[in-house]
Amino acid sequence: DGGITQSPKYLFRKEGQNVTLSCEQNLNHDAMYWYRQDPGQGLRLIYYSQIVNDFQKGDIAEGYSVSREKKESFPLTVTSAQKNPTAFYLCASSPLAGASREQYFGPGTRLTVT
Amino acid sequence: GDSVTQMEGPVTLSEEAFLTINCTYTATGYPSLFWYVQYPGEGLQLLLKATKADDKGSNKGFEATYRKETTSFHLEKGSVQVSDSAVYFCALSDLSGGYQKVTFGTGTKLQVIP
Repeated sequence: DGGITQSPKYLFRKEGQNVTLSCEQNLNHDAMYWYRQDPGQGLRLIYYSQIVNDFQKGDIAEGYSVSREKKESFPLTVTSAQKNPTAFYLCASSPLAGASREQYFGPGTRLTVT
Repeated sequence: GDSVTQMEGPVTLSEEAFLTINCTYTATGYPSLFWYVQYPGEGLQLLLKATKADDKGSNKGFEATYRKETTSFHLEKGSVQVSDSAVYFCALSDLSGGYQKVTFGTGTKLQVIP
């Protein structure tokens, strides 16, 4: 089955530590995205990538970093510089061609930093 | 910039009631429109979509029509079930700065009671 996997589902870290969230897709999509979701709010774009070895900042990139060394993988690192990292993180992918280019989402990772 | 406004929740309905969740948008281009659904603790799933004016998207008894004249994409279902309880997100996809940007509404929580 094609889809997007994110691991782990729950992640706990101490303040001051960097943490990396995994995102893998086997849909052969060129574009991948990271979003942050806070309670009662919509999704906010952190980073996106349309091609291997290239990525762009989204609306709230400060305190985050990404890499895109393979088409299937787009890991997100939450650094100690992120002031309020506790949130639900969603990874998505989409094709670049096609009329609608809807995004397909992974199951999410809930990060708690104490 | 682009924006999506959807009605605030929570919306509480009895089983078999009629559902409407309002969504309006502003966009500079010719966006595609989507409704996504999120069940507790999960990622978003595409519910339906419409790519041009007057298109009707439908899935699992849900419908929404792309109305360019009123810039709206209201979600409707004739008879809701308890299993429809979830958060519903309206979204648009538009070309912005060379990439297909998706803008999400803040979500509307639906609770269906037996």
